[in-house]
Amino acid sequence: DGGITQSPKYLFRKEGQNVTLSCEQNLNHDAMYWYRQDPGQGLRLIYYSQIVNDFQKGDIAEGYSVSREKKESFPLTVTSAQKNPTAFYLCASGGLTVGNEQFFGPGTRLTVL
Amino acid sequence: AQSVTQLDSQVPVFEEAPVELRCNYSSSVSVYLFWYVQYPNQGLQLLLKYLSGSTLVKGINGFEAEFNKSQTSFHLRKPSVHISDTAEYFCAVMGANAGNNRKLIWGLGTSLAVNP
Repeated sequence: DGGITQSPKYLFRKEGQNVTLSCEQNLNHDAMYWYRQDPGQGLRLIYYSQIVNDFQKGDIAEGYSVSREKKESFPLTVTSAQKNPTAFYLCASGGLTVGNEQFFGPGTRLTVL
Repeated sequence: AQSVTQLDSQVPVFEEAPVELRCNYSSSVSVYLFWYVQYPNQGLQLLLKYLSGSTLVKGINGFEAEFNKSQTSFHLRKPSVHISDTAEYFCAVMGANAGNNRKLIWGLGTSLAVNP
């Protein structure tokens, strides 16, 4: 089945530790996105990438880093510089034709203790 | 630049009643419009989208939305809701201009609670 996988579903880390969230897609999409979701704040864009080895900051990139070494993969690292990392993280992918929708993974809930 | 306002943060409704979730947008260019649904602790799923053509768009699970350019609205409707429709609903907009970076601009969401 084609789709987007995110792992793990739940992640617990101690304060001050970096953590990497996985996102893989087999939809052959060029674009991939990372969002952060907090209650009542909707979806906020962290980073996005439209081509391998290139990515752009979204609205809340501080404290996060990404890489795009393969078309299928777009991992997100939450660094110790992110002041409030506890949140639900969603990965999405989509085509580059204007009007194409984004397809979402199941999300990773990160809790920093 | 675009912006999206979902006019209701919470909508309670009884089962089998009709429902309307309201979405207004602002943009200096033509737009494409989307409605997504999110069930608890899950990712988002596309309900429907408007790109062009007929202003009445039908989606999955019996939902439909109407694009109103003069009122810059894209309200979501369902004539009879089920308990299983309880979820968070998001409206999103994308600029239709050629230089667009394919980003979606999101509303804050409307929580639909269907009660028996």
